Amino acid sequence: AQKVTQAQTEISVVEKEDVTLDCVYETRDTTYYLFWYKQPPSGELVFLIRRNSFDEQNEISGRYSWNFQKSTSSFNFTITASQVVDSAVYFCALSRSNAGNMLTFGGGTRLMVKP
Amino acid sequence: DAGVIQSPRHEVTEMGQEVTLRCKPISGHNSLFWYRQTMMRGLELLIYFNNNVPIDDSGMPEDRFSAKMPNASFSTLKIQPSEPRDSAVYFCASSLAQGKAGELFFGEGSRLTVL
Repeated sequence: AQKVTQAQTEISVVEKEDVTLDCVYETRDTTYYLFWYKQPPSGELVFLIRRNSFDEQNEISGRYSWNFQKSTSSFNFTITASQVVDSAVYFCALSRSNAGNMLTFGGGTRLMVKP
Repeated sequence: DAGVIQSPRHEVTEMGQEVTLRCKPISGHNSLFWYRQTMMRGLELLIYFNNNVPIDDSGMPEDRFSAKMPNASFSTLKIQPSEPRDSAVYFCASSLAQGKAGELFFGEGSRLTVL
């Protein structure tokens, strides 16, 4: 069985602060994919990043960065210099390598960035 | 390009009534997913179609729920009879089956309230 846990249900920061969203996963598979999605107030989920289990290199995209650590089964997401527009619910997700499109989502973390 | 289009955006109905939710996937996408989002259970995959054929419907809660995909550009999720516990936001998503794993494109959701 697969499981994704996002222990932080809600985080509130002030603009320009850095914030890290935690994600811990469980799987018996040796190969799998991990994802982050953003759900802004408009409602639709937006794909942010995919990482396969063989690639433990951290990734940076502008103010966003992701830290994948297989040893601790974690795939954390950091926003540097947060902005009000970053306010959203963020979901971490997991899929099996042979069923890459069937995602198991975590419970989500609501991020509120205050001006 | 148009994204995934869902209708209705909001539906309020009374217990026992039939509800039909509709989805038009992105043109060219051959995988379609129905997800349900609630506060209690988060995002749950209900059913997954590939090339209009249901591949996995293990997430469909019970016989009151049914989904169809008569062609590549249209899918429906029907609840008959509806119950208050079916109140949720229902998302449709599409992707390329042979595309980048896990990169799903979501619609804005249909918010269902069953009184």
